[in-house]
Amino acid sequence: EVQLVESGGGLVQPGRSLKLSCVASGFTFNNYWMTWIRQAPGKGLEWVASITNTGGSTYYPDSVKGRFTISRDNAKSTLYLQMNSLRSEDTATYYCTRDGNYWGQGVMVTVSS
Amino acid sequence: DIQMTQSPPSLSASLGDKVTITCQASQNINKYIAWYQQKPGKAPRQLIRYTSTLVSGTPSRFSGSGSGRDYSFSISNVESEDIASYYCLQYDNLPWTFGGGTKLELK
Repeated sequence: EVQLVESGGGLVQPGRSLKLSCVASGFTFNNYWMTWIRQAPGKGLEWVASITNTGGSTYYPDSVKGRFTISRDNAKSTLYLQMNSLRSEDTATYYCTRDGNYWGQGVMVTVSS
Repeated sequence: DIQMTQSPPSLSASLGDKVTITCQASQNINKYIAWYQQKPGKAPRQLIRYTSTLVSGTPSRFSGSGSGRDYSFSISNVESEDIASYYCLQYDNLPWTFGGGTKLELK
């Protein structure tokens, strides 16, 4: 059974950093691209970052480019999202997903002073 | 970036009704559209991928169709468990982009 479990969320002040993790199981992690998607409270879904199966290429929307970094450790079957220079508009539930088909339960990030 | 215009934003239906949601892309997305159901406090659940392919476990009352820029998603015989929000996603090109969502409520 495919499982994705996120962790690392919480309350953080504007301008600070936070690193999310997503531990995968139930499939061969290094065969798949992985993606982070977020959802602000009461709002729609927004693609945040994707990474190829080898980690050789990463992709971001303009809203997070230069502030967020997606990475992976295939030996640990773990996906990461390093978030720097956080802003109030980054407040959201962050989901990791494989293929857009399998999703984690999500982790809440609140950026507030 | 490809824009996805989803309508309607909300929908009121009676049990047993058929409802349809549409998504129009700002350019041809070559049928690379998926549809999601989301219930409050839960992660989205993919129901349909590549326009009309039902994901394993998706009831047959859900269906999708379309091509080019125009796509639709339907629920025939709405059941109480279908009350949720629904989103389309284009994955033809990065950045992936979602429609604004449709909230389905019981009349």
